[in-house]
Amino acid sequence: ETGVTQTPRHLVMGMTNKKSLKCEQHLGHNAMYWYKQSAKKPLELMFVYNFKEQTENNSVPSRFSPECPNSSHLFLHLHTLQPEDSALYLCASSQDLAGGPDTQYFGPGTRLTVL
Amino acid sequence: GQNIDQPTEMTATEGAIVQINCTYQTSGFNGLFWYQQHAGEAPTFLSYNVLDGLEEKGRFSSFLSRSKGYSYLLLKELQMKDSASYLCAVRDGDYKLSFGAGTTVTVRA
Repeated sequence: ETGVTQTPRHLVMGMTNKKSLKCEQHLGHNAMYWYKQSAKKPLELMFVYNFKEQTENNSVPSRFSPECPNSSHLFLHLHTLQPEDSALYLCASSQDLAGGPDTQYFGPGTRLTVL
Repeated sequence: GQNIDQPTEMTATEGAIVQINCTYQTSGFNGLFWYQQHAGEAPTFLSYNVLDGLEEKGRFSSFLSRSKGYSYLLLKELQMKDSASYLCAVRDGDYKLSFGAGTTVTVRA
């Protein structure tokens, strides 16, 4: 247990569906992240939030829409996805954006399959 | 952009030692992390190096040479539970991490 939970753990959706991924951290952290992990590829940073404010959008297509209602919760809203969006979506949190030894703590991910 | 290289796969025998190398070329450097990720689970933090040298934590050690852009993770007395993917990540200047693609280690009996 890393203190970061994600639901659902698995999701299969059609290209016309709308779904949401949820992340919750119980660590009292202020920064939260969404990453995409595709097979045999490095983790790709998608979005960063610090104190509920978005600080990074790494050129992510608009079919991915993040939401951060408070420092403990992060959502990723999905609509009209493409099959190439199938991947493991990881949420992470850290104390803040100070850098240095500040470690990111990851959730177990949502395995997304787009048909 | 950032370039983080590590081998794709390694296989070793239970009780043996395995060394996972990571080379990096980044625009800045503010520390190097190693994470362990079991299949279907969250990546978990193993080590952080920011100065040259060896950091030892039980059966796991991590080494850094900033001048060479090189790190390794050393796993000793391998156990079956060490079968996992190991991710090298570099903090290049601010808070962001650039990851390698991961090394899948398989431990055989």
